[in-house]
Amino acid sequence: GAVVSQHPSRVICKSGTSVKIECRSLDFQATTMFWYRQFPKQSLMLMATSNEGSKATYEQGVEKDKFLINHASLTLSTLTVTSAHPEDSSFYICSFPPSFFGQGTRLTVV
Amino acid sequence: EDKVVQSPLSLVVHEGDTVTLNCSYEVTNFRSLLWYKQEKKAPTFLFMLTSSGIEKKSGRLSSILDKKELFSILNITATQTGDSAVYLCAVNSGGSNYKLTFGKGTLLTVNP
Repeated sequence: GAVVSQHPSRVICKSGTSVKIECRSLDFQATTMFWYRQFPKQSLMLMATSNEGSKATYEQGVEKDKFLINHASLTLSTLTVTSAHPEDSSFYICSFPPSFFGQGTRLTVV
Repeated sequence: EDKVVQSPLSLVVHEGDTVTLNCSYEVTNFRSLLWYKQEKKAPTFLFMLTSSGIEKKSGRLSSILDKKELFSILNITATQTGDSAVYLCAVNSGGSNYKLTFGKGTLLTVNP
C-alpha cells in the first residue's frame, strides 16, 4: 500500500535555529498535501496547505515567514521552522489526504 | 469557524465490552466525515461517511452518519486491548482537497 515517509521522527534544537521536516510519498503523487500541528491533549490543527509548484496557503494565525513550506515535486513537501522558539515545540505531521499520514515529527526547542 | 466535538474525551472499558464514540459537527460546507485511529503517531484511516443512515462496517468497527442532526457515531464491539488508542473524528469541508477539521479525539483504554 501507499506509504508516506516523514523525517526526522524526533528533533531537539536550540532556540533561534531552523529545523527542516520532510514528507515524502513513496508510491503515489500528490499536488496537494497538508501540514498539521498537535499540542499535547489537543486536536490536530491544520497549519497550511502545500501546493505543488505554487505558494502554500496558510491558516489564520500561522506565520508564513516562520513556517516555510516548499512543495518542490509531486512526491516531496518540506516544512521549515525558522528561528524556532520553545513555544514551537509540538508534534508536526503531514498528510496526503484522506488516508495517508506521515509518522510525525516531535520537535523540542530548548 | 468549523467545529468538531467528540465525546467522551476518554473512556476505560474491559475487554469484550461494546463502546460508542460520538462526534458532532458544525461546518459551513460539509463534504464528508472521517474516522481515524491514532495509536502512537500517524492516524490510521478507518471510515469515510458521506451519506446519512448508511452504516459502514469493518470487522468489529462500524460507523454511521446523521446529516440532519449533524453527528456520527463509531461503534466497537467485543473490544480488545489492541483497540486502545485515540479515535479521531474529522470533517472535510474542502471537497476533493480534503481540508480536514479534527475533533480532540476520544482516548479509549481497553483493559484485559
